[in-house]
Amino acid sequence: AQSVSQHNHHVILSEAASLELGCNYSYGGTVNLFWYVQYPGQHLQLLLKYFSGDPLVKGIKGFEAEFIKSKFSFNLRKPSVQWSDTAEYFCAVNRDDKIIFGKGTRLHILP
Amino acid sequence: DTGVSQNPRHKITKRGQNVTFRCDPISEHNRLYWYRQTLGQGPEFLTYFQNEAQLEKSRLLSDRFSAERPKGSFSTLEIQRTEQGDSAMYLCASSLAPGRNQPQHFGDGTRLSIL
Repeated sequence: AQSVSQHNHHVILSEAASLELGCNYSYGGTVNLFWYVQYPGQHLQLLLKYFSGDPLVKGIKGFEAEFIKSKFSFNLRKPSVQWSDTAEYFCAVNRDDKIIFGKGTRLHILP
Repeated sequence: DTGVSQNPRHKITKRGQNVTFRCDPISEHNRLYWYRQTLGQGPEFLTYFQNEAQLEKSRLLSDRFSAERPKGSFSTLEIQRTEQGDSAMYLCASSLAPGRNQPQHFGDGTRLSIL
């Protein structure tokens, strides 16, 4: 079935650790890819997006993601996390004008 | 704040009752989307509008669910004869068309609890 898969449901890191959250999708053809973040008590916010061009995409708050077409992957990275990065992160694909979300990864940063 | 606005934030009702939620999109956005999110899951697409036209409905949207966007601005989502399984967060999002290259902006959601 066509889907978006996030590798980890819950990740716990200490401040200053490096972060990589995995995301794979199973749709063929042209895709638009997103990472959304939901901070505690807040609405979903766009972190970064890939439409075309440079497969290394930079987003807000020091996050970046790399689109690897051959691996159907769009992993999210941050070199050094902060306590304020504690949130839930969703990988998503825009398919036929609607967004298909992964199940999310809950990230908890220890101070 | 001129983001997407949803009302109410929380709704608690008894099984079998009807509920209606409202979404006010960002004013210049002509696309409006409804999603449902349950615990431990990402948001799941329900339906979307371009202006007042409902362009697609998910199979998740049973005949107890109806959505409208009568004047191409705000939208309502009604659930009739609510069931326990309807308990979820209902999210609204809006974007400019064409939707494919436009990010969607989400509201805070309406959390529905069925007693």
